[in-house]
Amino acid sequence: GAGVSQSPSNKVTEKGKDVELRCDPISGHTALYWYRQSLGQGLEFLIYFQGNSAPDKSGLPSDRFSAERTGGSVSTLTIQRTQQEDSAVYLCASSSGTGGGQPGNTIYFGEGSWLTVV
Amino acid sequence: AQKITQTQPGMFVQEKEAVTLDCTYDTSDPSYGLFWYKQPSSGEMIFLIYQGSYDQQNATEGRYSLNFQKARKSANLVISASQLGDSAMYFCAMREVIRKGSGSRLTFGEGTQLTVNP
Repeated sequence: GAGVSQSPSNKVTEKGKDVELRCDPISGHTALYWYRQSLGQGLEFLIYFQGNSAPDKSGLPSDRFSAERTGGSVSTLTIQRTQQEDSAVYLCASSSGTGGGQPGNTIYFGEGSWLTVV
Repeated sequence: AQKITQTQPGMFVQEKEAVTLDCTYDTSDPSYGLFWYKQPSSGEMIFLIYQGSYDQQNATEGRYSLNFQKARKSANLVISASQLGDSAMYFCAMREVIRKGSGSRLTFGEGTQLTVNP
């Protein structure tokens, strides 16, 4: 697709249920990032994929959170036994490269998945 | 320690005037990239402008320019001729290599809420 696509755009779930959030990056982008943004807050890094591997999982807030990426493309973020504090916007982003100061490796974001745990 | 610091939680500007949003960063990596994103109330993260650590000239994109002062580790965003549609949250972000061969991470500041008054 033309941009980063995320689904669902909105999800309301009951406390204790599991949820899956999907991210479809820009075609050809090898790097994929997940971030979380609580209401009125900045962006919290969750996890980063280079291809199918995740060299940096340090941002996952607890073992209830997991993520995978298959085929170097679509990624799924899974939250098990959701809690009310998990309510946030979950943003996915992708880029064509990973170099720190390399031009052209702009990171593009999807529109986010708004999760509400009731 | 904060990697990215945005000291202005809120800024106000009159329509058609210029405004500067401050951003300072901290890194020991010689290769890094600096980004500005706009987040309107709809929640999407819109890429505005990019500056690489090795770039000799300040980046410009239409009404946006980045005042890059490497020695002072600052990367302020200048918006010229403000428009009502510029009202949004603005985030400064830095991409730096996590570790060699393992890609990079984008770290965000806390954001500045810009309001453009008619």
